[in-house]
Amino acid sequence: QKEVEQNSGPLSVPEGAIASLNCTYSDRGSQSFFWYRQYSGKSPELIMSIYSNGDKEDGRFTAQLNKASQYVSLLIRDSQPSDSATYLCAVNANDMRFGAGTRLTVKP
Amino acid sequence: GAGVSQSPSNKVTEKGKDVELRCDPISGHTALYWYRQSLGQGLEFLIYFQGNSAPDKSGLPSDRFSAERTGGSVSTLTIQRTQQEDSAVYLCASSLAGFRSDTQYFGPGTRLTVL
Repeated sequence: QKEVEQNSGPLSVPEGAIASLNCTYSDRGSQSFFWYRQYSGKSPELIMSIYSNGDKEDGRFTAQLNKASQYVSLLIRDSQPSDSATYLCAVNANDMRFGAGTRLTVKP
Repeated sequence: GAGVSQSPSNKVTEKGKDVELRCDPISGHTALYWYRQSLGQGLEFLIYFQGNSAPDKSGLPSDRFSAERTGGSVSTLTIQRTQQEDSAVYLCASSLAGFRSDTQYFGPGTRLTVL
């Protein structure tokens, strides 16, 4: 079992829809959770971090964490074509582990 | 302010040669990380430096890989006797404090191609 698992996609949503990206992790001691966005050929950039169970909202982005289920998700509301990228989930216990990423395509 | 910089941006080398990749972290950041990303894959952790502590080398794939961080700032990742499977983008990141809860800022990466 991989330490951090994501559906590789591609996930395709129409412009204006909600995109839902999911991530599960294996280390129950994980304390910090991050979502990075990576455009093709570019380096990852942080878009959200979450440390406590529940929801955290930042603009069109909402991160959701459920430690009991070892699950973290990212919702993107009113998806735009510029949101098309690969989204990497990262989980931090004693060290940082990244998922393989989910490729999102938002179609105009 | 200036972000994380890496050099070279691209490196093409022949199998068996040694290569050195450089990373300049954000000024004042005490933690520095190296990752490797193969085409279409996630990030593979390689090594982590935190201040003056001994580095966490647990991610280095073989003894051909080594890294140094001089003066708590610039880091060099060295790959000896390169192999074709070493071809990847090597990303460096830095963070203000340490591993557990800190945001990592990534450099643009070095694309290594081993022929």
